[in-house]
Amino acid sequence: EAQVTQNPRYLITVTGKKLTVTCSQNMNHEYMSWYRQDPGLGLRQIYYSMNVEVTDKGDVPEGYKVSRKEKRNFPLILESPSPNQTSLYFCASSLTTGLETQYFGPGTRLLVL
Amino acid sequence: QKEVEQNSGPLSVPEGAIASLNCTYSDRVSQSFFWYRQYSGKSPELIMSIYSNGDKEDGRFTAQLNKASQYVSLLIRDSQPSDSATYLCAAPWEYGNKLVFGAGTILRVKS
Repeated sequence: EAQVTQNPRYLITVTGKKLTVTCSQNMNHEYMSWYRQDPGLGLRQIYYSMNVEVTDKGDVPEGYKVSRKEKRNFPLILESPSPNQTSLYFCASSLTTGLETQYFGPGTRLLVL
Repeated sequence: QKEVEQNSGPLSVPEGAIASLNCTYSDRVSQSFFWYRQYSGKSPELIMSIYSNGDKEDGRFTAQLNKASQYVSLLIRDSQPSDSATYLCAAPWEYGNKLVFGAGTILRVKS
């Protein structure tokens, strides 16, 4: 089944404790992206990747890191989480440019205390 | 003006009625559009895309694009309680590799 997977689905952590949210897709898509979704603010892009070893900042990259060492995986790293990073996070992928249909993972709900 | 704007709602319609969801856009997006449906706590899923002026129908859904007025709409005929969700409008950003999303419109279909 073609899909985007994310882990963990739910996470409660404390300020400053490094965490990684994994994202994997099995559709051989070149483009992958991370979004956060907050009430009233909609989906905001954090980082995106056009292909292996190619990443770029989105609209709200501060406090986040990403890497793309393999085509299928695009982990999101919070090196020192803060309460303002409490949010619902989605990973998405699309075939090539990101300007076509994007397919979303199930989401990760993060609470930073 | 934001690149893609939607009325946050909620839009309430009775079961069986037509729900009309609207989205306006700026010159900073390319003129192809995607409508996503998002149930509470779930991920967005694509329900319609439209690339040219006019109407596009798929089952109970019709997407309408009016380039002259810079708006795109989604009509849901014979609305069902299961259509209750947030509907997101998205378009490719003119200056880079990303989709720009509206904040979404909450639709409530009452039985």
